[in-house]
Amino acid sequence: AQRVTQPEKLLSVFKGAPVELKCNYSYSGSPELFWYVQYSRQRLQLLLRHISRESIKGFTADLNKGETSFHLKKPFAQEEDSAMYYCALRGSGGSNYKLTFGKGTLLTVNP
Amino acid sequence: DVKVTQSSRYLVKRTGEKVFLECVQDMDHENMFWYRQDPGLGLRLIYFSYDVKMKEKGDIPEGYSVSREKKERFSLILESASTNQTSMYLCASSPWGTRSYEQYFGPGTRLTVT
Repeated sequence: AQRVTQPEKLLSVFKGAPVELKCNYSYSGSPELFWYVQYSRQRLQLLLRHISRESIKGFTADLNKGETSFHLKKPFAQEEDSAMYYCALRGSGGSNYKLTFGKGTLLTVNP
Repeated sequence: DVKVTQSSRYLVKRTGEKVFLECVQDMDHENMFWYRQDPGLGLRLIYFSYDVKMKEKGDIPEGYSVSREKKERFSLILESASTNQTSMYLCASSPWGTRSYEQYFGPGTRLTVT
C-alpha cells in the first residue's frame, strides 16, 4: 500500500521567512513524488516533480529515500505563496496513472 | 490550454435524490478521475477511468457510480444522495504514459445534500 503523510494541517509564516512543508511517504517500490498547489479560488495544479529537480516559483523539493521524505522548501516566503499544498505519490507498475495525495497543508504567509 | 469543465459550480440536492455530476475535458486525455475534497481529509479518489467504458474503484467508491461512454466525458452518479456526501467534488484528467502524473483539474462542484 502507498501512503502520503503531511503532518501539518496549517503552517503560518511571515513574509521573507523560510518555509518548509513536510511530506513523508510509504511505498515499497521506487516512487515518483510531486507537489500540487491550490491558490484561493483557483484550480488545483501541478507545482513540481522530484525527477525534474527544478525550482518553480522559488520552491524546491528533494526526494530523500533514506528518510522517505519529499519536503517542499522556499528560502523567502512571499504573500502570494499562501495556498493549499498537496504532496502526491505515483507508484510504479500497472496503476501508475493514479496519484495518492496527502491531506494537504494550508500555508499562510503574513505581511 | 487544457480545459476541464464541470457542469455545475454549486448544487443543492435533497436526501435520496439521484445526482449526476458531469465532467468534460478537451485534451483527448485517456485518464479521468473523480475526487472528494474535504477539510482535513485532503483529496480522496472515488473512481477513475483509463479508457472509454473502463472504470476502477478508488479509495472511497461506496455510494457512487460512474459512467464513461465517450472519451471526453466522465460522469459521477450518486444513486441516492445522503448528507455525508456533502462535499467539494473535483474532476481531473491526465494523458496516458509517462506524463500521466500531470493531472488537470476542473473548478470543482460544491454539492450540498439537505
